[in-house]
Amino acid sequence: GESVGLHLPTLSVQEGDNSIINCAYSNSASDYFIWYKQESGKGPQFIIDIRSNMDKRQGQRVTVLLNKTVKHLSLQIAATQPGDSAVYFCAENIGGSQGNLIFGKGTKLSVKP
Amino acid sequence: EPEVTQTPSHQVTQMGQEVILRCVPISNHLYFYWYRQILGQKVEFLVSFYNNEISEKSEIFDDQFSVERPDGSNFTLKIRSTKLEDSAMYFCASSSQSGNQPQHFGDGTRLSIL
Repeated sequence: GESVGLHLPTLSVQEGDNSIINCAYSNSASDYFIWYKQESGKGPQFIIDIRSNMDKRQGQRVTVLLNKTVKHLSLQIAATQPGDSAVYFCAENIGGSQGNLIFGKGTKLSVKP
Repeated sequence: EPEVTQTPSHQVTQMGQEVILRCVPISNHLYFYWYRQILGQKVEFLVSFYNNEISEKSEIFDDQFSVERPDGSNFTLKIRSTKLEDSAMYFCASSSQSGNQPQHFGDGTRLSIL
């Protein structure tokens, strides 16, 4: 069925280390993917996106990798900081839909000082 | 930086009552959305809205739900007769285009049905 899921529900890293958050999606018709960060009491905050015609995109301290062969998406955060502690969601948009984002369950990232 | 704003931040309502959740999307955006998040669960799509009409809606968005853009800045979600299971965080989002542009979210309204 159509689903977006996360391999690891929680991730704990040391400050300064790199973090990798993974996401699996099942719909091969998805053509656009977004990573969101959600802090307690706030709405999802856009981090980075990638279209299906790309396999890598970099932002400030973040990189998203897309592997369409195995339907896998990952978010890499370099030099993780305490302010990065939050729940991270991947979301997919199925091609042709009117912006109906399908969200994954979320991974909680905890950064230890 | 422009942002999506939602009011109220918390709404407590008796079961069976009507509730209206309000949103002010980012001013130059043309596409508007409502999502909900039941505690501990995924964010779920409810409805998308463009050019004063619904573009797409999910199975959750039944006849009890409606959306409106009453003026040039507000976008509202109405639940006609609330049920206990409507208790959730409701998020409004907007984007400049649909499909391949990021949606920007507000901080949500926590709806509690008693």
